[in-house]
Amino acid sequence: DGGITQSPKYLFRKEGQNVTLSCEQNLNHDAMYWYRQDPGQGLRLIYYSQIVNDFQKGDIAEGYSVSREKKESFPLTVTSAQKNPTAFYLCASSISGSAGELFFGEGSRLTVL
Amino acid sequence: GENVEQHPSTLSVQEGDSAVIKCTYSDSASNYFPWYKQELGKGPQLIIDIRSNVGEKKDQRIAVTLNKTAKHFSLHITETQPEDSAVYFCAASIRILAGFQKLVFGTGTRLLVSP
Repeated sequence: DGGITQSPKYLFRKEGQNVTLSCEQNLNHDAMYWYRQDPGQGLRLIYYSQIVNDFQKGDIAEGYSVSREKKESFPLTVTSAQKNPTAFYLCASSISGSAGELFFGEGSRLTVL
Repeated sequence: GENVEQHPSTLSVQEGDSAVIKCTYSDSASNYFPWYKQELGKGPQLIIDIRSNVGEKKDQRIAVTLNKTAKHFSLHITETQPEDSAVYFCAASIRILAGFQKLVFGTGTRLLVSP
């Protein structure tokens, strides 16, 4: 079945450590996105990639980094510079960057101890 | 700036009743308005969407209405069932690059349908 796979589902990290969240899609979509979700808030855009080897900062990119070396993969690194990293992270993809359906993964919950 | 407001934040209804969730957006250039349903511990899933050239769209028990003049749109669920219980998000598209748009999401509505 086609879809988006995020891993790990749960992740614990100590302060000062970098962690990388995986996102893989087999939908052959050009565009991919990372959102952060906090309780009582909407989804906020961290980074997006319109096409392979290209990505742009979203609304809350500070303390995060991404890469897009392959069309199907868009990993997110949460660095030690992110002041409040505990959150639910969602990866999504769409056929293109024009307005259309986003397909979301199941999410990764990061907890900083 | 870019903003989508969503109300109410929580909504409790009895099974069989209707539920209405309302959103307003700030960018008059927005032209795509999806609604997502998120169940506990999962990613959001698209349930219905509407584009700016249409005023209303219906899919079985779910309908969405759009008022471009007032810049608001609403989700209507009729004959609610317990499995409709979830968090619902509205969103509006914002153009950020030529040929590329992002979605700005509302803060979500937790819907509880009691049997």
